[in-house]
Amino acid sequence: AQSVTQPDIHITVSEGASLELRCNYSYGATPYLFWYVQSPGQGLQLLLKYFSGDTLVQGIKGFEAEFKRSQSSFNLRKPSVHWSDAAEYFCAVVPLGNNNDMRFGAGTRLTVKP
Amino acid sequence: ETGVTQTPRHLVMGMTNKKSLKCEQHLGHNAMYWYKQSAKKPLELMFVYNFKEQTENNSVPSRFSPECPNSSHLFLHLHTLQPEDSALYLCASSQWGGPQETQYFGPGTRLLVL
Repeated sequence: AQSVTQPDIHITVSEGASLELRCNYSYGATPYLFWYVQSPGQGLQLLLKYFSGDTLVQGIKGFEAEFKRSQSSFNLRKPSVHWSDAAEYFCAVVPLGNNNDMRFGAGTRLTVKP
Repeated sequence: ETGVTQTPRHLVMGMTNKKSLKCEQHLGHNAMYWYKQSAKKPLELMFVYNFKEQTENNSVPSRFSPECPNSSHLFLHLHTLQPEDSALYLCASSQWGGPQETQYFGPGTRLLVL
């Protein structure tokens, strides 16, 4: 079945530590790939997106993501986490041919320890 | 105001009430979306409007009735809701042109159905 999976419901990291949030997808053809962040009481904000080309994508707020076709993954990374990064992170896909049907993962909640 | 605004931010209603959620975008976009965000479930796309015409209705119950009078405003009319409809309802907008067009989200309306 077609799906987008975020295996980690909740992650805790110390401030200044590196971060990697996982995202896997299951689609026949590589979909369009996105990462969004949602701070408490806020809507979703786009961090970055991948359609084609360079598999390492740079986003806002110091985030990057790497597309790996062989692993059907699009993991989000940040080398040094700040306390303000505490939020919920959503991986999303738009299947090819379904231009407005964005499918979201269940989200990963990030807690940052001082 | 800038971006995507939603009113009210919080709403409590009984199952026999009728209420409406409002979304307004100030970005000059021509596509608008309603999403439902329930606890412990992925974000679900409910409706899509393109130039005021509904192009997507993801099997949403008829107790939810969308209205898009122009490309800047979107409403979600609610009637005879069920407690399981309690959720965060998010509005988004974008240019109509495919997944490369970023969706911008409002802060959401937190709905509680008693």
